[in-house]
Amino acid sequence: DTEVTQTPKHLVMGMTNKKSLKCEQHMGHRAMYWYKQKAKKPPELMFVYSYEKLSINESVPSRFSPECPNSSLLNLHLHALQPEDSALYLCASSQEGKRSYEQYFGPGTRLTVT
Amino acid sequence: AQSVTQLGSHVSVSEGALVLLRCNYSSSVPPYLFWYVQYPNQGLQLLLKYTSAATLVKGINGFEAEFKKSETSFHLTKPSAHMSDAAEYFCAVSLPGRGGYQKVTFGTGTKLQVIP
Repeated sequence: DTEVTQTPKHLVMGMTNKKSLKCEQHMGHRAMYWYKQKAKKPPELMFVYSYEKLSINESVPSRFSPECPNSSLLNLHLHALQPEDSALYLCASSQEGKRSYEQYFGPGTRLTVT
Repeated sequence: AQSVTQLGSHVSVSEGALVLLRCNYSSSVPPYLFWYVQYPNQGLQLLLKYTSAATLVKGINGFEAEFKKSETSFHLTKPSAHMSDAAEYFCAVSLPGRGGYQKVTFGTGTKLQVIP
């Protein structure tokens, strides 16, 4: 199984709401990633977890809070978002170790902040 | 610093024609290079990757790319375009990291249009 799943597919939330995005993989990968992708742009790295520990936070605002409960799951908790946070949020995973390993991406969650 | 540059944000080809998408890289260490494809409203899918084993790399869906160190290029080609190839294509380079993960820098992307 080489699939990364993400839920929900679409999410509309107000600026005062709290919501969470979920990502799951069963490939035994120990590195997991969150990316943000605006229209007509490449993905921008937000967070990297390696062995369930946060390894990279690319200066993401605190209204985005990642969590890695176990080696298969990755969550992104959202609170008090701004309209400019509307984007496609992609989760990815990869084998740990070599930088030659590719990343496997989920289908993304299309987030709209109203 | 490592980076990739994709020339041409939009490329249009006729169905059955050659597809050529350009990618140039900059790297202070031997690069690991990837081509990903993204269909509308979907995630990215790996087409192929260069990891120094062979300079001509074959990928899925009939795509291939050639690593040319002298030209610092990793252009993506396909002999005959199909309508289903219409998508966004990203060239990427994997950066050296300290942990057990890959930090990838993506190019700005090239949107391929296939004209029937």
